[in-house]
Amino acid sequence: KQEVTQIPAALSVPEGENLVLNCSFTDSAIYNLQWFRQDPGKGLTSLLLIQSSQREQTSGRLNASLDKSSGRSTLYIAASQPGDSATYLCAVTQGDKLIFGTGTRLQVFP
Amino acid sequence: DTGVSQDPRHKITKRGQNVTFRCDPISEHNRLYWYRQTLGQGPEFLTYFQNEAQLEKSRLLSDRFSAERPKGSFSTLEIQRTEQGDSAMYLCASSLDRGSGSYNSPLHFGNGTRLTVT
Repeated sequence: KQEVTQIPAALSVPEGENLVLNCSFTDSAIYNLQWFRQDPGKGLTSLLLIQSSQREQTSGRLNASLDKSSGRSTLYIAASQPGDSATYLCAVTQGDKLIFGTGTRLQVFP
Repeated sequence: DTGVSQDPRHKITKRGQNVTFRCDPISEHNRLYWYRQTLGQGPEFLTYFQNEAQLEKSRLLSDRFSAERPKGSFSTLEIQRTEQGDSAMYLCASSLDRGSGSYNSPLHFGNGTRLTVT
């Protein structure tokens, strides 16, 4: 059974710091991995999707890497801003559905 | 593209009552998913549709739960005889399957329906 774990569970950093969020999964037979952002009481916004054949994807200040063989992904956020404060979720696709981790709650303070 | 729309945003009901939620996906999306999220947890898969066909249901979807997508457009999720353990955020998502599976089609989520069972 696929299990997705995210570390740390919560993170508080000052504005401007570069930071790394970690995601690990137990079964490497995945089709892709996605990173989402969730604001309190809201739905999920897709940030990056990495196909199983890819190593990384970049969008603006965000960079996500994937090491399928070791079951790990990282989300790198450069020059963090207070507006980045949210919960970040990673999810892997197996079959036709996403399996989510429990998320990292990020707070960026001015 | 108006995004995925869910209604209502919030629902408070008494234990034992029936509730129904609606989801309107992005118009050209043929796949529609229902997830449930409890506080501090990631979303858990409930079921999904390819057009009007319900292709998979999770074990989480007890016989009190039923989902439909009658014309392959909007979907409804009904919970009968609600229990306090049903309190959660119910999220709908949609994607476009171009025929080779949805493996590389990102999911677009709605803002969810928050259910509170008292």
